[in-house]
Amino acid sequence: QKEVEQNSGPLSVPEGAIASLNCTYSDRGSQSFFWYRQYSGKSPELIMSIYSNGDKEDGRFTAQLNKASQYVSLLIRDSQPSDSATYLCAVRAGSARQLTFGSGTQLTVLP
Amino acid sequence: GAVVSQHPSWVICKSGTSVKIECRSLDFQATTMFWYRQFPKQSLMLMATSNEGSKATYEQGVEKDKFLINHASLTLSTLTVTSAHPEDSSFYICSAIGGYEQYFGPGTRLTVT
Repeated sequence: QKEVEQNSGPLSVPEGAIASLNCTYSDRGSQSFFWYRQYSGKSPELIMSIYSNGDKEDGRFTAQLNKASQYVSLLIRDSQPSDSATYLCAVRAGSARQLTFGSGTQLTVLP
Repeated sequence: GAVVSQHPSWVICKSGTSVKIECRSLDFQATTMFWYRQFPKQSLMLMATSNEGSKATYEQGVEKDKFLINHASLTLSTLTVTSAHPEDSSFYICSAIGGYEQYFGPGTRLTVT
């Protein structure tokens, strides 16, 4: 079982819709959770971090964390073609320094 | 967010030569930096963890004598690919921890001919 799992996609949504990206993790000791966006040919860019259960909103992005279910999600409201990218879920366990990444979900927003 | 820079952004070298890639944290001090490699349409692969003032920790399967890492200061880590071969052609990305969050540099695209 992979430590951090994401649906690889591709996920396609029409412009203006809500894109929902999901991630599950296996280590119950995980404390920190991150979403990165990676455009083709570019390096990952941090878009959200979340540390406690519940929702965290930042503009059109909402991260949701449920530690009991070992589940973290990212919602993108009013999706734009410029949101088309691969979204990486990353988890940091306990006292670890490095992140464990999922394999990413490729999102395409159709104009 | 914090800014991490890399230099060069791309490099072409001949087989058998060595290439040095620099990674700098511009507005914060980073006791720990990470080096990743990414092949086209594949996931990030952690190569090593670079700790300021001490030896790097390499992931299983990564040759430490081929990928030399030096973290000489709190803002600079370097990766040297020694005796590069075409199979070393890849996208190399460094990353640094600022606070609780990890920020990536823009990456260096290495092509070995």
